[in-house]
Amino acid sequence: DTGVSQDPRHKITKRGQNVTFRCDPISEHNRLYWYRQTLGQGPEFLTYFQNEAQLEKSRLLSDRFSAERPKGSFSTLEIQRTEQGDSAMYLCASSWTGPGDSPLHFGNGTRLTVT
Amino acid sequence: GENVEQHPSTLSVQEGDSAVIKCTYSDSASNYFPWYKQELGKGPQLIIDIRSNVGEKKDQRIAVTLNKTAKHFSLHITETQPEDSAVYFCAGSETSYDKVIFGPGTSLSVIP
Repeated sequence: DTGVSQDPRHKITKRGQNVTFRCDPISEHNRLYWYRQTLGQGPEFLTYFQNEAQLEKSRLLSDRFSAERPKGSFSTLEIQRTEQGDSAMYLCASSWTGPGDSPLHFGNGTRLTVT
Repeated sequence: GENVEQHPSTLSVQEGDSAVIKCTYSDSASNYFPWYKQELGKGPQLIIDIRSNVGEKKDQRIAVTLNKTAKHFSLHITETQPEDSAVYFCAGSETSYDKVIFGPGTSLSVIP
C-alpha cells in the first residue's frame, strides 16, 4: 500500500492558462474522489468515479473543470482558463466498496496558485 | 444535502490536558462519521471513525462519541502531546466508502 499519490505537488500558473493534475489511487481501490480546499476551510467535494464512470459532480465543478479516469486507475483533473479564484489545494482520495470496505484515504494534494 | 458544523474553530491546551471537539450534522441518512487530522502541507489523515450503530469508540488516547438522536458527535483527546497540534476535521457520510462532507475544522495547539 503506497498510498494516494498526486502530481505535481505545487503548480503556479497565470490567469487564463490551462492546468492538469494527476492522481494515482491506492491500487485496489475502485472509487476515486476529487476535493478542493481553500485556506482555513474544510475540503469540499467536487466529483467522484467508480471505476471509470463519473457518478457525481458537485455544483462547485464549473464547466471549466473536467475530470477523467479513462481506465479506472489514475485520474486527471483539468482546469481550463484558470481564474484567481481557482487558487486552492486540490485533494484526491480513494476508497474500496467491496468486501472489507475501506474509507477514504487522501493524498497530499496539489497546491494551485493562479497569478 | 449534509451540513456539518464544528466548534471550536481554534483550541489551545497545555500539554497533558484533554481536548474536546464537537460537531453536529443535519442529514439523518448519515451513518458514518470519520475524523481526520491534517498537518501543514499534507492531506487529511483518518485517525478514527464511528458508525451509527455504535455510541462510543476508543483508540489509545483518542475517543469518539455519537448521539444519533441529537445528531451530535465529539472527539476527545486525552494526555495531549505537542505532536497532536494540527487541524482536525469531523465529517459525515452515508457509508464508510462514500463521499464525506467535512466540517470547517478545528486548529488545535498543544503548548509544551
